Amino acid sequence: GQQLNQSPQSMFIQEGEDVSMNCTSSSIFNTWLWYKQEPGEGPVLLIALYKAGELTSNGRLTAQFGITRKDSFLNISASIPSDVGIYFCAGHNNAGNMLTFGGGTRLMVKP
Amino acid sequence: NAGVMQNPRHLVRRRGQEARLRCSPMKGHSHVYWYRQLPEEGLKFMVYLQKENIIDESGMPKERFSAEFPKEGPSILRIQQVVRGDSAAYFCASPVSRAGGITEAFFGQGTRLTVV
Repeated sequence: GQQLNQSPQSMFIQEGEDVSMNCTSSSIFNTWLWYKQEPGEGPVLLIALYKAGELTSNGRLTAQFGITRKDSFLNISASIPSDVGIYFCAGHNNAGNMLTFGGGTRLMVKP
Repeated sequence: NAGVMQNPRHLVRRRGQEARLRCSPMKGHSHVYWYRQLPEEGLKFMVYLQKENIIDESGMPKERFSAEFPKEGPSILRIQQVVRGDSAAYFCASPVSRAGGITEAFFGQGTRLTVV
């Protein structure tokens, strides 16, 4: 089946630093989604991307849909303690009905 | 939780018992996804349902698991004769589609199943 490789698996950074994480796939996707999950909660949608090359921002978050349609990255600028959580990428292509999720990037921010 | 309601939030079952997990999607939505998340892992697709119809169950284990979304009432994920390996968080989501493709999905808070 389809797989999304997400990296890094975890990051431990100082408050104020910028963060970058990415997802790659061997398959083409038509939609890329980025979610954040906090302990005991469900994933919350942060950013949705629909076109190759698209760059979208949501506050301090910026995500891009790769030109090849096989990758996406998420940047967080000037991290703060409440950014702590697990960030997941997810992709959809019209060949299937489901969203495929990456393995997640666990972000820890030191005040 | 974007209006996706799941209950119970936590469920404890002994090995061999049945677990029933409920999901009410966002108001006006007639499709749901069910996903499973094992500890320290990502979300794995289980099943995609429309009211009174299973669209894609390619992620469902072949035995003991079933799902339905009746015309009235919530979607139900049913696990019979639970085993310890069924312990996980189970999430449902309301997918949004345009022009034939899924564009977003909004998740509930999940049901955390513990099998003892």
